[in-house]
Amino acid sequence: GIQVEQSPPDLILQEGANSTLRCNFSDSVNNLQWFHQNPWGQLINLFYIPSGTKQNGRLSATTVATERYSLLYISSSQTTDSGVYFCAVTIFTGFQKLVFGTGTRLLVSP
Amino acid sequence: KAGVTQTPRYLIKTRGQQVTLSCSPISGHRSVSWYQQTPGQGLQFLFEYFSETQRNKGNFPGRFSGRQFSNSRSEMNVSTLELGDSALYLCASSLEGGVLDNEQFFGPGTRLTVL
Repeated sequence: GIQVEQSPPDLILQEGANSTLRCNFSDSVNNLQWFHQNPWGQLINLFYIPSGTKQNGRLSATTVATERYSLLYISSSQTTDSGVYFCAVTIFTGFQKLVFGTGTRLLVSP
Repeated sequence: KAGVTQTPRYLIKTRGQQVTLSCSPISGHRSVSWYQQTPGQGLQFLFEYFSETQRNKGNFPGRFSGRQFSNSRSEMNVSTLELGDSALYLCASSLEGGVLDNEQFFGPGTRLTVL
C-alpha cells in the first residue's frame, strides 16, 4: 500500500522561529490534507491542498503532486502551534480513504 | 454550521464487554469514516459508510462493526473488547465521499479505555 512519511518526527522551536514540515508519499494520490492535532486529540483541518500553494495567516502549504511531496510552513511560531501535525493523502479505490502520515510532533517553547 | 459530534467523549470498559460509539456528521454530509488512533499504530482506517452502506473496511477483525442511519448518523460497535482496543476513535464526515469532493472533517473523538 501507499507509504506516507513525514519529517522531522520531532521538532523543538523557540517562539518566533520559522519551520518547514515535509510529507512524502510513495504513490499518486487524489488529494492531500494537513491537520493539527491538539492536546485533546481533535484533528483540525489546516489545508486541503491537492496541488499548488495556499496560505492562511502564518501557515502556508505547498503540494507538488508530480514529485509526491507536500510542505507545511509555519512562520513566527507561537506556543499554541504545539501539537502533532499530520498530513493525510486521499486514495480512491472504489471508495475514499485517508492514509495518514507518521506525524511531526512540534513543541514551541516561550 | 455545527461540526462533527461524537458521543460519548470518554468511556471505560472491561475486557469482554462490548461498546457502541456514535458519530453525527456535518449537516448535508453523507459519508462517514471511522479511524482508530493508538500510540503504536498511529491513525488507521476502520471503515466508511455512505448512504447507509458500508463501502469498505480496513484490516480490523470482525469484532469491529458499524452502521449508518438514514440521517447519515453512524455508530461503531466493538464486541468482546480486548486491552489492545484502548484507543482514540475518530470519525470524519465528507460531503459526498467520492473523488471530486473528499475533504474530510473530524469529530473530537471518543477515548476508549479497556481495563
